[in-house]
Amino acid sequence: EPEVTQTPSHQVTQMGQEVILRCVPISNHLYFYWYRQILGQKVEFLVSFYNNEISEKSEIFDDQFSVERPDGSNFTLKIRSTKLEDSAMYFCASIPKGTGRGAFFGQGTRLTVV
Amino acid sequence: AQKVTQAQTEISVVEKEDVTLDCVYETRDTTYYLFWYKQPPSGELVFLIRRNSFDEQNEISGRYSWNFQKSTSSFNFTITASQVVDSAVYFCALIRGDTGKLIFGQGTTLQVKP
Repeated sequence: EPEVTQTPSHQVTQMGQEVILRCVPISNHLYFYWYRQILGQKVEFLVSFYNNEISEKSEIFDDQFSVERPDGSNFTLKIRSTKLEDSAMYFCASIPKGTGRGAFFGQGTRLTVV
Repeated sequence: AQKVTQAQTEISVVEKEDVTLDCVYETRDTTYYLFWYKQPPSGELVFLIRRNSFDEQNEISGRYSWNFQKSTSSFNFTITASQVVDSAVYFCALIRGDTGKLIFGQGTTLQVKP
């Protein structure tokens, strides 16, 4: 069964460093998302991406964040200058044509900023 | 505005007990979708069920059952004869019909003791 793949599974970075979280969505899916879950808290929407552009973003998704789909298969989330409060689990998700079918989630990347 | 509320933060039961996890949602949309996800200690999000707003039939899958009531805006989840492996955080979530963006509740941590 096709699945969403995220790399790395765990990343530790120094405060102020840039990080890129990578995702390979399911190949025929059209909508792509990043979600964040701070430890012990709920899963929060960050950004949605459709037709090669951001379709919606949350207030969390400020200028420090960016997303790209550089080559038609990968979907990346970049944090330019990480802060301690960026430490969280980041989930990538993709959806096929029908948005109501629900998201297929990757296994997550645990980001630790020290 | 859309919102999902899971009032139960933590539930602890003894194995073989039945347990119900509550979910109440708010939306002005007529077309929406409701979901339950399981998050085991390993951290990934595991899809359990999807229900659209036009289908109020209850569903049973093995030991799992779901009760969707539009009149009370609730989508409750019952585990019958709970097992230790059911220990996890369970999230209820809502999708608007057109965006695919998931809005999660705060999650309910279920602990099943042997």
